[in-house]
Amino acid sequence: NAGVTQTPKFQVLKTGQSMTLQCAQDMNHEYMSWYRQDPGMGLRLIHYSVGAGITDQGEVPNGYNVSRSTTEDFPLRLLSAAPSQTSVYFCASSYNKGQPQHFGDGTRLSIL
Amino acid sequence: EDQVTQSPEALRLQEGESSSLNCSYTVSGLRGLFWYRQDPGKGPEFLFTLYSAGEEKEKERLKATLTKKESFLHITAPKPEDSATYLCAVQAGGNAGKSTFGDGTTLTVKP
Repeated sequence: NAGVTQTPKFQVLKTGQSMTLQCAQDMNHEYMSWYRQDPGMGLRLIHYSVGAGITDQGEVPNGYNVSRSTTEDFPLRLLSAAPSQTSVYFCASSYNKGQPQHFGDGTRLSIL
Repeated sequence: EDQVTQSPEALRLQEGESSSLNCSYTVSGLRGLFWYRQDPGKGPEFLFTLYSAGEEKEKERLKATLTKKESFLHITAPKPEDSATYLCAVQAGGNAGKSTFGDGTTLTVKP
């Protein structure tokens, strides 16, 4: 099993550009989340999904969109990138609420 | 609002010098408290889940404990390979199941 796979691993964007961060898991997990991690800080929840077709906002959702058309995939879209969105983005999945999360290795995003 | 505070921010130990990391939390109805280890350039890796006060879990040199207000991660006779950032997270009850993370404790173990 590959676990949680995130692509790309690194990306540089210009202000105003859009892009999609990909996340896929092969563990048949219902629960998936997107976090951002800034230097010296913990993880802040952006959006999450409790199953295909269901998404909701986390702590810092502004500037990001998500969709969940399948159990396996949970892409994160930046509609118009801003320098404040420079961060490391982690995708995670878990079997259900109350279960530990499995994380990908992150996407390191720089916005100039 | 759920809150998690970890202390200290950084901890430097000599190999073999035991210590503890603290995670203080406030949450409306704890569903679970999680400890993760994060190595540089990697995603967090799950260590322990604790569900109720008084519960303890052990794995090699690590032992996690839980009270109604805080959790401790005890490290006994650490080795350099235990150097990492340790993250604590809580998940509240209710339908959402969202997790709130602390800022982590960065542990450095010198040989």
